[in-house]
Amino acid sequence: DAMVIQNPRYQVTQFGKPVTLSCSQTLNHNVMYWYQQKSSQAPKLLFHYYDKDFNNEADTPDNFQSRRPNTSFCFLDIRSPGLGDAAMYLCATSRPFTGTENEQFFGPGTRLTVL
Amino acid sequence: QKEVEQNSGPLSVPEGAIASLNCTYSDRGSQSFFWYRQYSGKSPELIMSIYSNGDKEDGRFTAQLNKASQYVSLLIRDSQPSDSATYLCAVSGSARQLTFGSGTQLTVLP
Repeated sequence: DAMVIQNPRYQVTQFGKPVTLSCSQTLNHNVMYWYQQKSSQAPKLLFHYYDKDFNNEADTPDNFQSRRPNTSFCFLDIRSPGLGDAAMYLCATSRPFTGTENEQFFGPGTRLTVL
Repeated sequence: QKEVEQNSGPLSVPEGAIASLNCTYSDRGSQSFFWYRQYSGKSPELIMSIYSNGDKEDGRFTAQLNKASQYVSLLIRDSQPSDSATYLCAVSGSARQLTFGSGTQLTVLP
């Protein structure tokens, strides 16, 4: 089945220790997104790629970076995690935007704990 | 600032009843509207999308859209305990980004 895969599902890191989260997709979607979701809050968009075109949200901290080496993979790098970065990180994909239909499909998420 | 507001929860309904979830949005240019279901500790799952005024039915779910009133709703008929989750309304305009509401927590009581 075509799907969005995130690894690891659970990540524990220490304060200030860099961490990388990965996302892969078999849907062959051109657009990939990274969201941060904290408890009882809506998902917050960090950035997205349209093919290799990177789009950063204005309020995304510099501490968060992303890489997309090819269509299938996308990485989220947190350079110096703080306690406030503990959250669920969600990867999503969508087809190219060709009109009104731009459904986004989410992976299972990575739960990040910062000690 | 684009905003999406959902009716405050939590919402409890008895098994077999109709659950009604409501959402309003501020951006009149919004074109695409989605309902996601999110179980505790899991990721959002797309359950309905609607793009034009009126009703759209899929099994026990009906989405209703009224662009003039900037209002979208989700009805769940014959609610089951397995429907207990947080329901997120999401709205998209000319850009690709989704704006999410804060969610409504639904509990279906056996």
